[in-house]
Amino acid sequence: NAGVTQTPKFQVLKTGQSMTLQCAQDMNHNSMYWYRQDPGMGLRLIYYSASEGTTDKGEVPNGYNVSRLNKREFSLRLESAAPSQTSVYFCASSEVGRDNSPLHFGNGTRLTVT
Amino acid sequence: AQKITQTQPGMFVQEKEAVTLDCTYDTSDPSYGLFWYKQPSSGEMIFLIYQGSYDQQNATEGRYSLNFQKARKSANLVISASQLGDSAMYFCAMREGRGFKTIFGAGTRPFVKA
Repeated sequence: NAGVTQTPKFQVLKTGQSMTLQCAQDMNHNSMYWYRQDPGMGLRLIYYSASEGTTDKGEVPNGYNVSRLNKREFSLRLESAAPSQTSVYFCASSEVGRDNSPLHFGNGTRLTVT
Repeated sequence: AQKITQTQPGMFVQEKEAVTLDCTYDTSDPSYGLFWYKQPSSGEMIFLIYQGSYDQQNATEGRYSLNFQKARKSANLVISASQLGDSAMYFCAMREGRGFKTIFGAGTRPFVKA
């Protein structure tokens, strides 16, 4: 039971570098999400994909791009990293059509931008 | 706009006692779902309990119960018989209607002491 798998677990970037965070789920969920977690601010939604082929902005999309590669995979790209993007990033997925369907989270990626 | 407020940053709780974690929310959508998640120091996000806006009874899951007061727009989590392993960050979250976005509060961290 892998659930939601994120890679990498840790990453250090220099300002201006780019990288892609990978996420895959094996629960056949239609919806996938990227959140960032900063101290004292809870989790904030960056982008989400309601279904394969669609993506939409969340609360804090600036500086990020996403790709829903297929039903299983949803990647997050930082084109030019900034120190303000230092955070813990979580990928999540959920079923569609059930009101009580919770988010299923990956284990997070701790990103530091220097 | 939807909003979740958790105002207790941290608290000490005696082992075996009950603890209440406060959550207030704001939404104009009559249909919504409320979720609580636990984040231990290891960092993963664990779904605990769900309450729907139309549910007549308060949700319960083992030692977790949700004190849902719709008119006051509060959804407090009650943990009975606290254990040392309950020391963690707890997030209240809400998803409106058939929407896809789940928003989170800033979190509350109870410290259970022996």
